[in-house]
Amino acid sequence: QQPVQSPQAVILREGEDAVINCSSSKALYSVHWYRQKHGEAPIFLMILLKGGEQKGHDKISASFNEKKQQSSLYLTASQLSYSGTYFCGITLGGSSNTGKLIFGQGTTLQVKP
Amino acid sequence: GAVVSQHPSRVICKSGTSVKIECRSLDFQATTMFWYRQFPKKSLMLMATSNEGSKATYEQGVEKDKFLINHASLTLSTLTVTSAHPEDSSFYICSAGAGLATYEQYFGPGTRLTVT
Repeated sequence: QQPVQSPQAVILREGEDAVINCSSSKALYSVHWYRQKHGEAPIFLMILLKGGEQKGHDKISASFNEKKQQSSLYLTASQLSYSGTYFCGITLGGSSNTGKLIFGQGTTLQVKP
Repeated sequence: GAVVSQHPSRVICKSGTSVKIECRSLDFQATTMFWYRQFPKKSLMLMATSNEGSKATYEQGVEKDKFLINHASLTLSTLTVTSAHPEDSSFYICSAGAGLATYEQYFGPGTRLTVT
């Protein structure tokens, strides 16, 4: 049931863009994105509820493709502060919907000057 | 808004002793709180779901008698690691549910447990 994130790691220069994908083998109810810095707790970025929904703030946005059972996180014009590990967390749809988040394995993003 | 605190942030204890970790939602009421465990460079593993006023629901493979969870109020949940062993050393993180329909979760800062 764990969603699969890709890529596992990415290294960028400041100002470059990145896309992180999160795919599920089961129907999704919602997708949650978090960023975690080393030794700290995950910080909530955004939640997507509807198929086809797109959200964003600042230069970080995300989309939710319900049919493909996947979500993508877009980081544009990356900044040094974007470095960290990004996790997607999913809640499943239908009778499997218990509200608990199932996290992907994480994508490590490193932004270099 | 949606601030969650955890105490202590770090704890070192000896094998065989018990450790209690507190999780509080500071500016909202959380009917549901979640306890996670995270190993270095790994994902968050859900241990249990805690509902105020009822027994916690544990994930498969998590020992109920070892990881005691109490959710006494809408703002406080506690995790007690009983008879701790070195293999229990880990980063424990709680989260509090903030949205009834959206299942938003906000995480506490985590507790680093080291058992010697």
